Amino acid sequence: DAKTTQPPSMDCAEGRAANLPCNHSTISGNEYVYWYRQIHSQGPQYIIHGLKNNETNEMASLIITEDRKSSTLILPHATLRDTAVYYCIAAFGGATNKLIFGTGTLLAVQP
Amino acid sequence: GAVVSQHPSWVICKSGTSVKIECRSLDFQATTMFWYRQFPKQSLMLMATSNEGSKATYEQGVEKDKFLINHASLTLSTLTVTSAHPEDSSFYICSARETSGRQADTQYFGPGTRLTVL
Repeated sequence: DAKTTQPPSMDCAEGRAANLPCNHSTISGNEYVYWYRQIHSQGPQYIIHGLKNNETNEMASLIITEDRKSSTLILPHATLRDTAVYYCIAAFGGATNKLIFGTGTLLAVQP
Repeated sequence: GAVVSQHPSWVICKSGTSVKIECRSLDFQATTMFWYRQFPKQSLMLMATSNEGSKATYEQGVEKDKFLINHASLTLSTLTVTSAHPEDSSFYICSARETSGRQADTQYFGPGTRLTVL
């Protein structure tokens, strides 16, 4: 699985958009980009995933660059409850879909 | 949808005893489940892949005789920590892989089980 690189921490003002970057320069053509978040002492929560195209759901938007070497998770209107560690993971789909967690980005939403 | 539960949510046991943790997919069937361990201020570490009806696949460095995994049905996997010692104290988290629909191949995580070995 391709390694991903994320900034260790970020701050965001409540109500503003939070843009979390992720580099995955060695991603292979059939690896997806998954985003999860973990609020303290809880299991990770699935946010969104994509292969090539940009994706949007009720939680967030995922923007993947055309060369697929990086992506950005966008939380459109951050709230205090969005404070968490966000993990960007490159992984294959199918039965071999192992998720290898890195250190993630601690997003602190400030009031 | 896509809810995964774990039981118990926390457990305290004496050194040398065995502890069983259950992981259930509540609203979908999961042929594959995963077990992770997380130490304080660290990221999740994959321990093993649990396949329904077959033996689990363990990651390098994880003792299969210490961490027994059983996946007897499409909605239940269990992790038994045998002869637990204080160094096994950790946060154990399972995930289940959705196999159908738009979210096929997405893993959904349980809330975790906090194990403390005295």
